[in-house]
Amino acid sequence: QKEVEQDPGPLSVPEGAIVSLNCTYSNSAFQYFMWYRQYSRKGPELLMYTYSSGNKEDGRFTAQVDKSSKYISLFIRDSQPSDSATYLCAMRRSNYQLIWGAGTKLIIKP
Amino acid sequence: DAGVIQSPRHEVTEMGQEVTLRCKPISGHDYLFWYRQTMMRGLELLIYFNNNVPIDDSGMPEDRFSAKMPNASFSTLKIQPSEPRDSAVYFCASSLRLAGGEEQYFGPGTRLTVT
Repeated sequence: QKEVEQDPGPLSVPEGAIVSLNCTYSNSAFQYFMWYRQYSRKGPELLMYTYSSGNKEDGRFTAQVDKSSKYISLFIRDSQPSDSATYLCAMRRSNYQLIWGAGTKLIIKP
Repeated sequence: DAGVIQSPRHEVTEMGQEVTLRCKPISGHDYLFWYRQTMMRGLELLIYFNNNVPIDDSGMPEDRFSAKMPNASFSTLKIQPSEPRDSAVYFCASSLRLAGGEEQYFGPGTRLTVT
């Protein structure tokens, strides 16, 4: 079993919809939870990160961590075609390397 | 800063040939990472360096792969001999630290095709 599980999709939704992207993990020692966005033929870029449990909001994006369930989510409100990309979750414990999810391909239809 | 620079952007080679991928990290970053990305396996960490010293190469698939960082501004990933299953996008990334929410900055990647 992988340490981080993420559905590769693709997930296709109409413009303006609320999108929910998720990852589950098995290592309870993970403390830092990140979401990277990767456009086609580009490298991943950090979208946002959360420390421990709770929510973090940045514009139309909200990251949520539920450590009791070992489950993290990224919500996108009022989705736009420009949000079409692959979203990768990544997490780490203390001063260790990142452990990556497989990435979910998101398609926002105009 | 220009960001992480990788070359070449595309490489097509025949099985058995040597392939060398190059990376220039962001100035001042102490950590450099080499990743491989495929549809089947996603993003895999191959090796990472701290202050030019290889720290963890457990992700290097086999002895055909080698990586060096002769100085703070340059790293190479070499595949010799190359095989069709090495076809993938190879990313180099750098970061200031290996801690917390520290961002890894990725280069544009090298798309390798081995025929």
